[in-house]
Amino acid sequence: EPEVTQTPSHQVTQMGQEVILRCVPISNHLYFYWYRQILGQKVEFLVSFYNNEISEKSEIFDDQFSVERPDGSNFTLKIRSTKLEDSAMYFCASSTLTEQYFGPGTRLTVT
Amino acid sequence: QQQVKQSPQSLIVQKGGISIINCAYENTAFDYFPWYQQFPGKGPALLIAIRPDVSEKKEGRFTISFNKSAKQFSLHIMDSQPGDSATYFCAAGNDYKLSFGAGTTVTVRA
Repeated sequence: EPEVTQTPSHQVTQMGQEVILRCVPISNHLYFYWYRQILGQKVEFLVSFYNNEISEKSEIFDDQFSVERPDGSNFTLKIRSTKLEDSAMYFCASSTLTEQYFGPGTRLTVT
Repeated sequence: QQQVKQSPQSLIVQKGGISIINCAYENTAFDYFPWYQQFPGKGPALLIAIRPDVSEKKEGRFTISFNKSAKQFSLHIMDSQPGDSATYFCAAGNDYKLSFGAGTTVTVRA
């Protein structure tokens, strides 16, 4: 069964550093998303992406964040200058239209 | 602004029992209501979903009940099994965005 994959599974970075989280969505999906989940809390929407542009973004998704689909298979989330409060699990999801399938997540730890 | 409220925060059920989780939403523009199951260290897995044009949807032991006028929907897990022990999240939204509830930790005792 096709699935969303994410790399790395765990990323440790120092405050102020840039990180890039990578995702490979399910191959025939056209919509891509990033969500985050702070430990023990609910899943929060960050951004959705369709047809090479952002469809919707949350207030969390400020100028420090950017997304890109650099080729036909990868979807990336870049955090330009990480803060301690960016420590969370970051989930990529993809869908054909509505049913969103989530990847296993990348745990980002900012020290 | 909490767009989706979920309760209870946790519940314990005996094997074979029924687990019921409730959610309420605020935005009447929402037209898609999925439930996700999450095990520790894993991503949310889509369990079952409903659109507002139906009041109930059943898939195996999982049933969603939907009340559009009350802006509420619920998940019923019938014949609960120890393998159902997980955190369940309701969500509501549309094609581009989902708002999640806070989650319910379900523990099924053998």
